[in-house]
Amino acid sequence: DGGITQSPKYLFRKEGQNVTLSCEQNLNHDAMYWYRQDPGQGLRLIYYSQIVNDFQKGDIAEGYSVSREKKESFPLTVTSAQKNPTAFYLCASSIDPRTTYNEQFFGPGTRLTVL
Amino acid sequence: QQQVKQSPQSLIVQKGGISIINCAYENTAFDYFPWYQQFPGKGPALLIAIRPDVSEKKEGRFTISFNKSAKQFSLHIMDSQPGDSATYFCAAPGKYGNKLVFGAGTILRVKS
Repeated sequence: DGGITQSPKYLFRKEGQNVTLSCEQNLNHDAMYWYRQDPGQGLRLIYYSQIVNDFQKGDIAEGYSVSREKKESFPLTVTSAQKNPTAFYLCASSIDPRTTYNEQFFGPGTRLTVL
Repeated sequence: QQQVKQSPQSLIVQKGGISIINCAYENTAFDYFPWYQQFPGKGPALLIAIRPDVSEKKEGRFTISFNKSAKQFSLHIMDSQPGDSATYFCAAPGKYGNKLVFGAGTILRVKS
């Protein structure tokens, strides 16, 4: 079955640690996105990538980093510089990044909690 | 920067009633306005979307109404069912059309 997988489902981090969230898609989509979801704030864009080896900052990129070495993979690292990292993180992909007239498919999410 | 204002924050509707959620956007040169549905602990999924050539789109019990001059669009859920209880997000294209900007979400509860 085609889709987007995110791992782990739950992640606990101690303050000062970096953690990496995995996102893999087998939909052959060019574009991939990372969102952060907090209660009452909707989905806020962290980073997005329209093509392999290229990515752009979204609205809340500070304290996060990404890589796009393969078309199917777009891992997100939450660094110790992110002051309030506890949130639900969602990865998405879409077919053609040149237009928004394409459905974004979302993964099941990773819930990160800082202890 | 594009902003999308969604209302209400939460909504309680009786089974069989009509649920209405509204969104307003600022500026965009692109006309693609999707609605996403999210169940607790899951990722959002596309529910219905409207493109520039129509002012209304209906899929089953779900209807989008689009008012370009007012920069507003809304989701109507007819004959609301308990299974419709979820969080609903509207979205609008960003300034350059290469990303979506989401509203804050509406938590819908349909009482049986």
